[in-house]
Amino acid sequence: AQKVTQAQTEISVVEKEDVTLDCVYETRDTTYYLFWYKQPPSGELVFLIRRNSFDEQNEISGRYSWNFQKSTSSFNFTITASQVVDSAVYFCALIDFNKFYFGSGTKLNVKP
Amino acid sequence: EPEVTQTPSHQVTQMGQEVILRCVPISNHLYFYWYRQILGQKVEFLVSFYNNEISEKSEIFDDQFSVERPDGSNFTLKIRSTKLEDSAMYFCASSQTSGGASAKNIQYFGAGTRLSVL
Repeated sequence: AQKVTQAQTEISVVEKEDVTLDCVYETRDTTYYLFWYKQPPSGELVFLIRRNSFDEQNEISGRYSWNFQKSTSSFNFTITASQVVDSAVYFCALIDFNKFYFGSGTKLNVKP
Repeated sequence: EPEVTQTPSHQVTQMGQEVILRCVPISNHLYFYWYRQILGQKVEFLVSFYNNEISEKSEIFDDQFSVERPDGSNFTLKIRSTKLEDSAMYFCASSQTSGGASAKNIQYFGAGTRLSVL
């Protein structure tokens, strides 16, 4: 079974729309970290957020917000008022012992 | 803020040639990793390295691959005889410690080296 599942392969929105990227994870550990990374067309992995398993508070950073729910093993990412520069592939990831497990990514296309 | 540095950013090579991808991990980190991302696919773990030894490797990391820490700062990935299917983005990462979820186990990623095998 996949450790991290991003069911949305590709999403297209028009600028200024809100968009939520879904992430569902699986782990038997009680302590773990979850991450979101942005990968623009240039290819590098840009760290966005990490959240440890004991902190279920939602986080907001500018137009970005994250909703962590242990009860459903989900760690969803919302971009409010999307912009063209948000176009990228977004990866959710889990660190479980010393291994990173990445989801398959969601490609976000924001059209002007 | 300290960062993981990878060189070159893009490497083009002919099939069958040897390539060495270089990484400078964060200076106080002791654990080092290589990951691979084939174009359009997810990032996959290749190998982890600690105390001058491989601590774990995936099934992707076959005999064509090797890693080395030749001096106190560099961490390299060598592919002995490149194949077309080795074309991918290779990411290096490092962490202070390992084994369980703690802030010191967070892996920091470099910007990647894009390897193109022709």
